[in-house]
Amino acid sequence: ELKVEQNPLFLSMQEGKNYTIYCNYSTTSDRLYWYRQDPGKSLESLFVLLSNGAVKQEGRLMASLDTKARLSTLHITAAVHDLSATYFCAVGKRGGGADGLTFGKGTHLIIQP
Amino acid sequence: DAGITQSPRHKVTETGTPVTLRCHQTENHRYMYWYRQDPGHGLRLIHYSYGVKDTDKGEVSDGYSVSRSKTEDFLLTLESATSSQTSVYFCAIWADTYNEQFFGPGTRLTVL
Repeated sequence: ELKVEQNPLFLSMQEGKNYTIYCNYSTTSDRLYWYRQDPGKSLESLFVLLSNGAVKQEGRLMASLDTKARLSTLHITAAVHDLSATYFCAVGKRGGGADGLTFGKGTHLIIQP
Repeated sequence: DAGITQSPRHKVTETGTPVTLRCHQTENHRYMYWYRQDPGHGLRLIHYSYGVKDTDKGEVSDGYSVSRSKTEDFLLTLESATSSQTSVYFCAIWADTYNEQFFGPGTRLTVL
């Protein structure tokens, strides 16, 4: 059974600080997805990581994938209040994603002035 | 928004009543999904479809059935709703061009 674990599940940090969210998964996969969710809203795609060593950056967010360690990280640089949200990582059941994703429980991020 | 709509967006019903949620897409995607989201659990896959009349179970399929009679519509039915099915339900599609899933706006279902 595929398991996806995120940590921390809750994070409160100050603006301007850096932090990393970790996503571990239990079976072989070379694809990993990061989503953002604002309160009461749907999920918004942030990054699709398609191979070992993949690194993607968008603004203050950078995601990476290490398939050998079964680990992905989402790094936040110089956090700003607008990045407050819940962040989910997800992995495809059989390494892809077309037959459904298994999600972590999410990291609830609060960025305080 | 990948052309996905869900209806209704909010519903309150009573235990034991049947409920059907609808997901509609306009871009001819082959794969469609139903997830539920509950506090502390993230999203969990209920059922998915890989074509008209082709469906498969996810990890939390008990108490749910689905149907897909045409490409654009994927229906989720709770034959006899229970309070444990109170949740937010998200529909999603698989976009081949982007190698990822996109999600609909969600339906908040409350079973009293």
